[in-house]
Amino acid sequence: GAVVSQHPSRVICKSGTSVKIECRSLDFQATTMFWYRQFPKQSLMLMATSNEGSKATYEQGVEKDKFLINHASLTLSTLTVTSAHPEDSSFYICSATGGSDEQFFGPGTRLTVL
Amino acid sequence: AQSVAQPEDQVNVAEGNPLTVKCTYSVSGNPYLFWYVQYPNRGLQFLLKYITGDNLVKGSYGFEAEFNKSQTSFHLKKPSALVSDSALYFCAVATSGTYKYIFGTGTRLKVLA
Repeated sequence: GAVVSQHPSRVICKSGTSVKIECRSLDFQATTMFWYRQFPKQSLMLMATSNEGSKATYEQGVEKDKFLINHASLTLSTLTVTSAHPEDSSFYICSATGGSDEQFFGPGTRLTVL
Repeated sequence: AQSVAQPEDQVNVAEGNPLTVKCTYSVSGNPYLFWYVQYPNRGLQFLLKYITGDNLVKGSYGFEAEFNKSQTSFHLKKPSALVSDSALYFCAVATSGTYKYIFGTGTRLKVLA
């Protein structure tokens, strides 16, 4: 099946710094990638949808300048949390689709902001 | 608006007994329905999906789900639960032509030995 990786799996950073999370489709071309955020014991909240070569579409309430998304190639999307604060601590999950209706999920990145 | 409901926060079942995790949905158009499982600090693992065809869908690890259009439900089932099935289960819906999933709130399954 299709494989999606995320790097890093876990990151701890100081408040005020920026953190970049990578999402890669390893064996297929991802025309669309999605970024989700999951708080403890809660569901996945869609943050944004990105298509290769175009600007990401953010969900209502998600700050574009805070969560920068770049989908520079058909196998890579990055999420940069800028000027991170403790309230940004969360589990971030990406997914990718190659044009079908099924999304393939990455293993997630645990971000802790001190 | 599209929505998915998982009415039970937690389901407890004894090992060896059948299990059911409930999911109902509301969409305009034909639904695409999915079940995923999540273990602690891990991403989502695909279990099964319904796009079209037979209402009974068989998936990974012995799980199955039945699409019921009249009741707008897609309940997840397994004939005999294992302790290792204990995890968080998510139902998701999309509509044809869109790639966006709407997730339910998740149901924690606890299988007791």
